[in-house]
Amino acid sequence: GENVEQHPSTLSVQEGDSAVIKCTYSDSASNYFPWYKQELGKRPQLIIDIRSNVGEKKDQRIAVTLNKTAKHFSLHITETQPEDSAVYFCAANKPANAGNMLTFGGGTRLMVKP
Amino acid sequence: EPEVTQTPSHQVTQMGQEVILRCVPISNHLYFYWYRQILGQKVEFLVSFYNNEISEKSEIFDDQFSVERPDGSNFTLKIRSTKLEDSAMYFCASQTLPGRGAEAFFGQGTRLTVV
Repeated sequence: GENVEQHPSTLSVQEGDSAVIKCTYSDSASNYFPWYKQELGKRPQLIIDIRSNVGEKKDQRIAVTLNKTAKHFSLHITETQPEDSAVYFCAANKPANAGNMLTFGGGTRLMVKP
Repeated sequence: EPEVTQTPSHQVTQMGQEVILRCVPISNHLYFYWYRQILGQKVEFLVSFYNNEISEKSEIFDDQFSVERPDGSNFTLKIRSTKLEDSAMYFCASQTLPGRGAEAFFGQGTRLTVV
């Protein structure tokens, strides 16, 4: 089955700095890669996603890159703010005919210090 | 904005008891899921459900677990005989029929505590 590894497990940055979180996946059939932000005690919420036919996607301060050959994808947050502090999960999604479930990485606890 | 809703938000049950967790997916969605998250750990897939049947299940989803869509709106997860290690946050999620990937919307979760 799919295996998603995520690094680092914790990341502490100063407000205004950039943060980068990296994930690798094992199953080349995966074709959709969402990133979720989870605040303490709350539901995971999608912040950005990328499909396998795209190499990069940006939404304001957040960007995601995908390298299909190397089977890795990364989340980049620029100009971090204290409200960015949360746990971030990457995930990989296989096509519907292969089960369609999300396999999550282990999570990165991001702490943005004011 | 439409939401996935789950009830109850918190359930405490004694070991060996049956629990039913309820979810109302977004109305035009066709794929439904249960995930669980043990405190401090990652979100783990349990089961996916499409066209009134299970389409995929993980090793966690053993014979003690079952899912049902009893009517057009509810999607339930039943644990027949709860164990201490079933204590976790259980998330329901739903998704439109995915073509090249589509957002999975998560409910707010049910925190299950088995004592």
